[in-house]
Amino acid sequence: EADIYQTPRYLVIGTGKKITLECSQTMGHDKMYWYQQDPGMELHLIHYSYGVNSTEKGDLSSESTVSRIRTEHFPLTLESARPSHTSQYLCASSPRTERNTIYFGEGSWLTVV
Amino acid sequence: KNQVEQSPQSLIILEGKNCTLQCNYTVSPFSNLRWYKQDTGRGPVSLTIMTFSENTKSNGRYTATLDADTKQSSLHITASQLSDSASYICVVSDRGSTLGRLYFGRGTQLTVWP
Repeated sequence: EADIYQTPRYLVIGTGKKITLECSQTMGHDKMYWYQQDPGMELHLIHYSYGVNSTEKGDLSSESTVSRIRTEHFPLTLESARPSHTSQYLCASSPRTERNTIYFGEGSWLTVV
Repeated sequence: KNQVEQSPQSLIILEGKNCTLQCNYTVSPFSNLRWYKQDTGRGPVSLTIMTFSENTKSNGRYTATLDADTKQSSLHITASQLSDSASYICVVSDRGSTLGRLYFGRGTQLTVWP
């Protein structure tokens, strides 16, 4: 079992609201990721981080932002949510020494109404 | 363009039966291939990882094969159980960057009926 936690698991919010999806891992992993996944579709990388103070945009353009102030914490923020942001957001992490080994959190289901 | 294609898209089998899921990829240069199991509403969990030199790897009732020449992999599930109902995702990584870029298939949705 991977020690990576996401909150909230489920969230329904109104259009225009600001939301932050929390992600924490207790494994000391350097690399962390945010993926977006619509039902029945593949995962798309939206943000990643090599370590503290490092953040990069992924393949899929996203209006969200991330920060990496602490190794264990990688929150994702939407300043003004829209219905098009409705999706599942998966946080993941990987250690520097195990190439391409990724551990996923349980996911956060976001619905914007 | 690097791609990962999985088939079938969905599959229904009876409990106790065997099944095989397929994954074809065009990712190059190839580093490794993973099969993940994703239960509905949960995050993916790794089942197996295979590198270029490995042909077969087992994890309980799951057996993965890899043919690096034809760029094909399969996941065989033996004596299926109701708890095997999930999406099975093939993930291929390249070795062309420090990050080790990951390419995800869309998954095969397996349903096991009693």
